[in-house]
Amino acid sequence: DAKTTQPNSMESNEEEPVHLPCNHSTISGTDYIHWYRQLPSQGPEYVIHGLTSNVNNRMASLAIAEDRKSSTLILHRATLRDAAVYYCILRDQGDDKIIFGKGTRLHILP
Amino acid sequence: KAGVTQTPRYLIKTRGQQVTLSCSPISGHRSVSWYQQTPGQGLQFLFEYFSETQRNKGNFPGRFSGRQFSNSRSEMNVSTLELGDSALYLCASSLLGGATNEKLFFGSGTQLSVL
Repeated sequence: DAKTTQPNSMESNEEEPVHLPCNHSTISGTDYIHWYRQLPSQGPEYVIHGLTSNVNNRMASLAIAEDRKSSTLILHRATLRDAAVYYCILRDQGDDKIIFGKGTRLHILP
Repeated sequence: KAGVTQTPRYLIKTRGQQVTLSCSPISGHRSVSWYQQTPGQGLQFLFEYFSETQRNKGNFPGRFSGRQFSNSRSEMNVSTLELGDSALYLCASSLLGGATNEKLFFGSGTQLSVL
């Protein structure tokens, strides 16, 4: 079973920020939180990852709760090209079985 | 730098046949993992190879097998195909695999249809 819980779908307007939540209440101290997204007809692509501190890169920001039981992927200014399924996964020390949940399907309205 | 290459892109087979899918990882990457994606089950882990050895395996029947060559290229084989094997098969490569902060790089997948 997936170790994370995400909403099935979300909608946002173009050029507005998007906050995608993820719950991972059973996270262990060494688990990294990773986000991937899958555009139509493509394989998943890496978005961002973090351990404890908030992280920023050119694609997005990752806000991690202080107790690490939840995190939020932030797209600062959504475009139509950001419409995709977003997966939040935990990478467990020494466990190569990456378990993807169903992810969140993000719809962007023009 | 070339990305992860999967061939063929599309494949149509009939029940009972067997199929071999190929994955060429990013140059220098030694870990290759395979996933099956279906609308009902989502992305499911099949197996992971590192330095020609299978390091981890998901919950799939023995009809699903794989191997990795010395140049890190990997193949997966499905024997005695069933209708339920119709899916998008994705492979991902990473430098070493198993590192919790390591990125995975996915190919575009092979869409297999079993008739």
